[in-house]
Amino acid sequence: DQQVKQNSPSLSVQEGRISILNCDYTNSMFDYFLWYKKYPAEGPTFLISISSIKDKNEDGRFTVFLNKSAKHLSLHIVPSQPGDSAVYFCAAILNAGGTSYGKLTFGQGTILTVHP
Amino acid sequence: AAGVIQSPRHLIKEKRETATLKCYPIPRHDTVYWYQQGPGQDPQFLISFYEKMQSDKGSIPDRFSAQQFSDYHSELNMSSLELGDSALYFCASSFGRSYEQYFGPGTRLTVT
Repeated sequence: DQQVKQNSPSLSVQEGRISILNCDYTNSMFDYFLWYKKYPAEGPTFLISISSIKDKNEDGRFTVFLNKSAKHLSLHIVPSQPGDSAVYFCAAILNAGGTSYGKLTFGQGTILTVHP
Repeated sequence: AAGVIQSPRHLIKEKRETATLKCYPIPRHDTVYWYQQGPGQDPQFLISFYEKMQSDKGSIPDRFSAQQFSDYHSELNMSSLELGDSALYFCASSFGRSYEQYFGPGTRLTVT
């Protein structure tokens, strides 16, 4: 049962344009969300996160939007650069303020390719 | 900046053998998480430790055990290895209740 879903296996974007990566979740008890970037032969690298009490968080070229009613979040990268080409994972934490110590539930990942 | 260290990076074992994976968290990080990523799959949570105590448990087989030591490093012990255990094993660390986890480069385990 995939509780965090990234329905687009891949995305191709031109350098300088916006990349939008989408993520849907089914468990309404998820209350903290993170995006990770992963290059081959490396571990996931933390990019940006958002708490369920917010609907937007911005960090440089990266912005994450959260729509709780739709159980949907998205990562916007503006402007996209060739070095952004990687696999992007959406991840969620269940009941982050409770007894959970941050167990991450991951989506399947989206391969982003930014063409020069 | 210091990152999470995992050793070994690659490991080849035969069926029914035992393997031990090691994880050294970022200095001052007291929480360690283990994840397993099969081919073409997303990482799956196995187990976590906070201040040397097990804090959460996921889909970890009974053949696997793990612990966190006084210096906060952690070891994942895997016995009676099966072909299906072939995967990338990631360790991540965080400081206290911080939700941002920092991942190591992973150990690629191949069971033949």
